[in-house]
Amino acid sequence: EEQLVESGGGLVQPGRSLRLSCAASGFIFGDYAMHWVRQAPGKGLEWVSGIGWNSSIIRYADSVKGRFTISRDDAKNSLYLQMSSLTFEDMALYYCAKDQWLAPKGAFDLWGQGTMVIVSS
Amino acid sequence: EIILTQSPGTLSLSPGERATLSCKASQNIVSRFLAWYQQKPGQAPRLLIFGASRRAFGIPDRFSGSGSGTDFTLTISRLEPEDFAVYYCQQYDTSTSYTFGQGTKLEIK
Repeated sequence: EEQLVESGGGLVQPGRSLRLSCAASGFIFGDYAMHWVRQAPGKGLEWVSGIGWNSSIIRYADSVKGRFTISRDDAKNSLYLQMSSLTFEDMALYYCAKDQWLAPKGAFDLWGQGTMVIVSS
Repeated sequence: EIILTQSPGTLSLSPGERATLSCKASQNIVSRFLAWYQQKPGQAPRLLIFGASRRAFGIPDRFSGSGSGTDFTLTISRLEPEDFAVYYCQQYDTSTSYTFGQGTKLEIK
C-alpha cells in the first residue's frame, strides 16, 4: 500500500527553525516528484514547495522563498522541508504529497495525514 | 500567478441530487493542468480529477470534470452521503507554481 507519513511538527517560537520529514512507502519514491502543501486552521490549501525526481527542479511559493528549503533522500525514501525564520503565518498543517510525474508538473495523487506546525511565543 | 475562484462558497443539496461546482481561472490554463480534490473533515485531500476531465484511480463515475480555458466544472451526478465535503480545484501550470481555489463546501440540505 502506498503511504506517506509526515513528522517533525510541533511548537516553535517566531523566528526559529523546524525541519519536517516525510517517509514514503509502497512505491518507488525516486521515480516521482514530491511536494509540501499546507493548510492553516480552518483555511484552504496552499502549495509550499515541490522537488523533481532527481532534485533537478525545485520550486517554492513566494510566501516561503528564501526561508524554506525542500530536499529529498531517495536512498531513505524521504522528503524534507527545512523551515527557518518562522512567522505566525506559517502555522498550519503541513502535508506531504506525491506528484503523478517525475518532474513537478502533475496533480497530487497521494497525500499524507499531515504534521502540525504551531508558531507561538 | 494564476488565481482560481470557486463558486459557490457553500452548496446545500440533498442526497440523490446533482451537484455542479465551478472553478474560474484568472487567465487561460492548459486543460491538462487542472485538478479537483475532495477533503473531508480531519482527513487529507484526495485527488478526484486531473487533466480537467480524467478520473483518478478508484474514483466513482458519478464524478466528472469538464471545461477549458478559464472555466472548469466538477459535476457529481447523484450525490451519495459520503460526497458531502469540501472540494478544491488546483492548477499546476508548469512555469512557476501551483495554486488552489478557496474551496466549495458541499453540505447536506
